Amino acid sequence: QLQLQESGPGLVKPSETLSLTCTVSGGSISSSNYYWAWIRQPPGKGLEWIGTVYYTGTTYYNPSLKSRVTMSVDTSKNQFSLNLSSVTAADTAVYYCARHRGSNSWPVDYWGLGTLVTVSP
Amino acid sequence: QSVLTQPPSVSGAPGQRVTISCTGSTSNIGAGYDVHWYQHLPGTAPKLLIYTNINRPSGVPDRFSGSKSGTSASLAITGLQAEDEADYYCQSYDSGLSGAVFGGGTKLTVL
Repeated sequence: QLQLQESGPGLVKPSETLSLTCTVSGGSISSSNYYWAWIRQPPGKGLEWIGTVYYTGTTYYNPSLKSRVTMSVDTSKNQFSLNLSSVTAADTAVYYCARHRGSNSWPVDYWGLGTLVTVSP
Repeated sequence: QSVLTQPPSVSGAPGQRVTISCTGSTSNIGAGYDVHWYQHLPGTAPKLLIYTNINRPSGVPDRFSGSKSGTSASLAITGLQAEDEADYYCQSYDSGLSGAVFGGGTKLTVL
């Protein structure tokens, strides 16, 4: 059974960079046709796709966040990461890492449990 | 403001049927992109409920069904049970954004 686990600081100061890592277990991050994503949910709001990375390193970012987002993958550790720079209070959210297919409009079939990141001085 | 529009809330009594709509545009649902539905209980990971418009993953009861027409999609839940009380999200792909888009979510209350 595939499992995803987010890790990283729960508190980040404004203007700094939010960094999270997702560790994948029970399967290979190098599987063909599967992509790895970050999705967030601000308090009281809906889900927002942040970006997607393929095991080759190819990335796709939400245009609204593109200037601040960097995603990468480490196949040797079966991990992928998110960096979000110049954070503000609006970036406070539960951040989920997830897996989706590369076809059929990207259905997400596995999610991590999520990690709350608060942006505060 | 979410790209896909859902009603903020719906409710129904146990045993009843409810539907949740998801309205998009010609750059996502109307362009032929598939719609997926997720059930989200607070404090847990969202769960894929319906994929590619009408399909249920293994283990999802047939009380849950999906449909799609034009620029909209719907999730129907029949025989409502207390355990169905959750937030439900639709998701598709948007060609303008070149990525995934979600609805704002619908809170289902079982009366």
